[in-house]
Amino acid sequence: DAGITQSPRHKVTETGTPVTLRCHQTENHRYMYWYRQDPGHGLRLIHYSYGVKDTDKGEVSDGYSVSRSKTEDFLLTLESATSSQTSVYFCAISDPGLAGEGSYNEQFFGPGTRLTVL
Amino acid sequence: SQKIEQNSEALNIQEGKTATLTCNYTNYSPAYLQWYRQDPGRGPVFLLLIRENEKEKRKERLKVTFDTTLKQSLFHITASQPADSATYLCALDVSGGNKLTFGTGTQLKVEL
Repeated sequence: DAGITQSPRHKVTETGTPVTLRCHQTENHRYMYWYRQDPGHGLRLIHYSYGVKDTDKGEVSDGYSVSRSKTEDFLLTLESATSSQTSVYFCAISDPGLAGEGSYNEQFFGPGTRLTVL
Repeated sequence: SQKIEQNSEALNIQEGKTATLTCNYTNYSPAYLQWYRQDPGRGPVFLLLIRENEKEKRKERLKVTFDTTLKQSLFHITASQPADSATYLCALDVSGGNKLTFGTGTQLKVEL
């Protein structure tokens, strides 16, 4: 497996509380992504980063913010969690220019964080 | 907006048969399409990428076709095994910058 860890792996929190999820990689990949996965919707992109301090919004960014102060860490913050943010969150990494057929745009995913907002 | 459709119904096949999964998309002309495998409780794992100028790509027992006229990709697993049971996702980069849009996936069950 690519060196991607997510923490925590499981979290239960209450509506209105702030939550921060961490993605850590040891691959030195430039691109990092946060997705959420829900039944019937598949994986949806929340935010992404092309490098340190270079982030942008994805398809479902409302209610989420991100920060990337180091290449290896990408943080996802729910400023005030809501029940609609109950989901499984996946971090992914990629790097353009990697050698090898098919690897140019391949994304490597972390193990996921299951978040429940009560 | 870009729409990617995969058969939401599970596909059940017998061991040794060929499984064929479909991915249809609308409103875009992607430069490439990717297929991922996802096991329960785990993150997706990349399987194959096929570019718009490629009609077919193979990797071991896997074969992907890409018909840009029909806006469709077919994913085949030959000589299927119970270990191939998983959910298979297709994904497109619809806006550049390797930001993928995923289909909802098709669950494959290979029975003995």
